[in-house]
Amino acid sequence: DTEVTQTPKHLVMGMTNKKSLKCEQHMGHRAMYWYKQKAKKPPELMFVYSYEKLSINESVPSRFSPECPNSSLLNLHLHALQPEDSALYLCASSQVLEKFGPTEAFFGQGTRLTVV
Amino acid sequence: GQQLNQSPQSMFIQEGEDVSMNCTSSSIFNTWLWYKQDPGEGPVLLIALYKAGELTSNGRLTAQFGTTRKDSFLNISASIPSDVGIYFCAGRRRGSTLGRLYFGRGTQLTVWP
Repeated sequence: DTEVTQTPKHLVMGMTNKKSLKCEQHMGHRAMYWYKQKAKKPPELMFVYSYEKLSINESVPSRFSPECPNSSLLNLHLHALQPEDSALYLCASSQVLEKFGPTEAFFGQGTRLTVV
Repeated sequence: GQQLNQSPQSMFIQEGEDVSMNCTSSSIFNTWLWYKQDPGEGPVLLIALYKAGELTSNGRLTAQFGTTRKDSFLNISASIPSDVGIYFCAGRRRGSTLGRLYFGRGTQLTVWP
């Protein structure tokens, strides 16, 4: 099983709304990631969690707030977003090997977010 | 952040033709990954490479980890219409333990029947 599940698949929200994106994996992966992707561009890294601790924040605005409640779940809380935040938000996970570090990343199907 | 140099940017080919694309970096990488992405979907992992010189196949796909550790190649043989999509290379720098993946800009593949 190499499945990363993201919900919802589509989300439309107003600029004053608060919403959350959810991601789940049951592969025992200890590294989890949030990426943002605009059309026809590569994914851009937002956050990395390693062993449930935030290890990378790529200077993401505070209106995006990640949370890792346990080793299988990753959330992205959204508040006061702007229309330019509309994008495909991707979650990914990797196994972490002791001397090598993270291995290949498996992506979810993404959440298509539209901010109106 | 750093991006990989992926080429070509786009390819228009006839069904049955072979396809080659490559990715280069100015840094030494210890991992090379190749993904395919369909519109509105997440990237799907095609091939993962971990050793310099490694040549790995997945059906009609073959990828290689360059011996300099600064490049990788993906070949698709006998293309079919369902090969249409965007192909991304991605890699991790040697010594990176935090999991940051660097991505190429993608190769848009169009296959004519």
